[in-house]
Amino acid sequence: GAVVSQHPSWVICKSGTSVKIECRSLDFQATTMFWYRQFPKQSLMLMATSNEGSKATYEQGVEKDKFLINHASLTLSTLTVTSAHPEDSSFYICSARDFGGVGNEQFFGPGTRLTVL
Amino acid sequence: QQQVKQSPQSLIVQKGGISIINCAYENTAFDYFPWYQQFPGKGPALLIAIRPDVSEKKEGRFTISFNKSAKQFSLHIMDSQPGDSATYFCAASASSGTYKYIFGTGTRLKVLA
Repeated sequence: GAVVSQHPSWVICKSGTSVKIECRSLDFQATTMFWYRQFPKQSLMLMATSNEGSKATYEQGVEKDKFLINHASLTLSTLTVTSAHPEDSSFYICSARDFGGVGNEQFFGPGTRLTVL
Repeated sequence: QQQVKQSPQSLIVQKGGISIINCAYENTAFDYFPWYQQFPGKGPALLIAIRPDVSEKKEGRFTISFNKSAKQFSLHIMDSQPGDSATYFCAASASSGTYKYIFGTGTRLKVLA
């Protein structure tokens, strides 16, 4: 149980295009979903927290207009990188917190590798 | 105050040895401390987690030791195996608010065969 999927697993795009990454909780409803980015050999940096049906809360320094997050249902959140540039190339990972859970545990997706040419 | 400091940055251990990774925090509101294992190109996977009401938790070869007064916690991997070679992250979370994680900087563990 508690499986989180991400699609696509990797994507290559040209500079200036937009890319959408999906995060789904497969066997549970997610109260809250989190989006992280991870550069090579670095830690996970939280980008934003999203709750179903409400606006995402972005961490300091993360551009809201660049990284659009939509949490339309209890099982799906999307991250759209708008007008992507090479510096946006990174490993993007989502996690989800179980709606029925009582603890702090987050379940992580397998990640999406974004390469912007 | 939101930081979680992790050490060492890298660690090399012989097969069968004990791997020890340490983390320290400052925010006393943190009340959940998980450890994650991450292989290259994969998402992190939960190994073991602890709350401040216990000083130690063991699951198989993995043990968390927690020192509330020192605001430190550590991961011990007993009988380390080459398959344990990965990057390990500690994290801290507070039940008040958004439950978001603050991750440590990571430790790259290599277990020699």
